[in-house]
Amino acid sequence: DAGVIQSPRHEVTEMGQEVTLRCKPISGHNSLFWYRQTMMRGLELLIYFNNNVPIDDSGMPEDRFSAKMPNASFSTLKIQPSEPRDSAVYFCASSLGGAGEKLFFGSGTQLSVL
Amino acid sequence: SQKIEQNSEALNIQEGKTATLTCNYTNYSPAYLQWYRQDPGRGPVFLLLIRENEKEKRKERLKVTFDTTLKQSLFHITASQPADSATYLCALEANAGNMLTFGGGTRLMVKP
Repeated sequence: DAGVIQSPRHEVTEMGQEVTLRCKPISGHNSLFWYRQTMMRGLELLIYFNNNVPIDDSGMPEDRFSAKMPNASFSTLKIQPSEPRDSAVYFCASSLGGAGEKLFFGSGTQLSVL
Repeated sequence: SQKIEQNSEALNIQEGKTATLTCNYTNYSPAYLQWYRQDPGRGPVFLLLIRENEKEKRKERLKVTFDTTLKQSLFHITASQPADSATYLCALEANAGNMLTFGGGTRLMVKP
């Protein structure tokens, strides 16, 4: 298996533009997570899906952020409009689901909002 | 409020020594605690999991302890090597299940 695949690897955009980050989880995994990592705040959980259904989105910063999982093999995280403070590395991770399962992370998307 | 604390200062040790990293938490009752390794420009990679009813877990040169009374986990790397240099993150999962909250990580530097 290729692991969790994220695209793009790097994204540079201007303030106010829409940004869409993409994730393909490992086949057979039931849970998908979006995390954001910054030096100041570390790795923060944004949203968590189980069987394509959003279970907890309490970490989503504000209404500018939205996430979807239309099927078991694809998820998107959208920021509209983007702001400089959204600059961070965004990670997608997947797991088999259930308690005590380890997470498999993608390589992340480095987002820079100018 | 819930907090997971790892030493934000880098840990520098000599090759061959044992590295010990600390993870302290407050206002949590974790069912599971996991440790991950993160290299620059990469996502975290799972290393070990320990359950609340386990005191110690080992895997090759790695050892994790879990003290729910002290609310602390220790992560040990014995016979450390320069290749062990990375950031190590602890993560807690509450009984609600499958949502991991991460600490800030500790950077380990092993010098030859």
